[in-house]
Amino acid sequence: GEDVEQSLFLSVREGDSSVINCTYTDSSSTYLYWYKQEPGAGLQLLTYIFSNMDMKQDQRLTVLLNKKDKHLSLRIADTQTGDSAIYFCAERRGNTPLVFGKGTRLSVIA
Amino acid sequence: DGGITQSPKYLFRKEGQNVTLSCEQNLNHDAMYWYRQDPGQGLRLIYYSQIVNDFQKGDIAEGYSVSREKKESFPLTVTSAQKNPTAFYLCASSVPGQGIGQPQHFGDGTRLSIL
Repeated sequence: GEDVEQSLFLSVREGDSSVINCTYTDSSSTYLYWYKQEPGAGLQLLTYIFSNMDMKQDQRLTVLLNKKDKHLSLRIADTQTGDSAIYFCAERRGNTPLVFGKGTRLSVIA
Repeated sequence: DGGITQSPKYLFRKEGQNVTLSCEQNLNHDAMYWYRQDPGQGLRLIYYSQIVNDFQKGDIAEGYSVSREKKESFPLTVTSAQKNPTAFYLCASSVPGQGIGQPQHFGDGTRLSIL
């Protein structure tokens, strides 16, 4: 199938905002997800957004969805060193397993 | 606590051996999944099962086998036919269907290495 695209690396200074971008492939995808993976661990669900929404906010996390461009972003406000991890975007295409991007490695510089 | 348990955390395989990775969940989820993760390649789907006694191949099933005899368990066997088995293996589970945006929940992974 077609790929979910993410940039591989992002580096930000502590206290700044981080924006991680994702381009998905299926305009009929119903849900889009963001997962976080810390070193040596599994994936932890951060948040998800339904396709009829433009924005979802959850504490320091803001998800923006542009259906026309099939673009999803995750903004982390006041980024901390504990936010350093790999972030995966995933889309649900029908009743099938989630399709994941390759992940964006976020490095936070103190 | 409900969750997904993968064991062992680290596993070593000799050339020509089959090894089995365990995945157990107590979330009462019907669907279970196995992914392989290599550096810079993201997650690739090996097999998945939406119900007991049924499973489907994912994108990279060659050299792997699974069984789903119980709802709670979905073991993955890495056979000697898998020529490059060194990777991080992740198991996940979910409630099937889209009704409320069913996410997949993940275990902590098993790292397999070749001796």
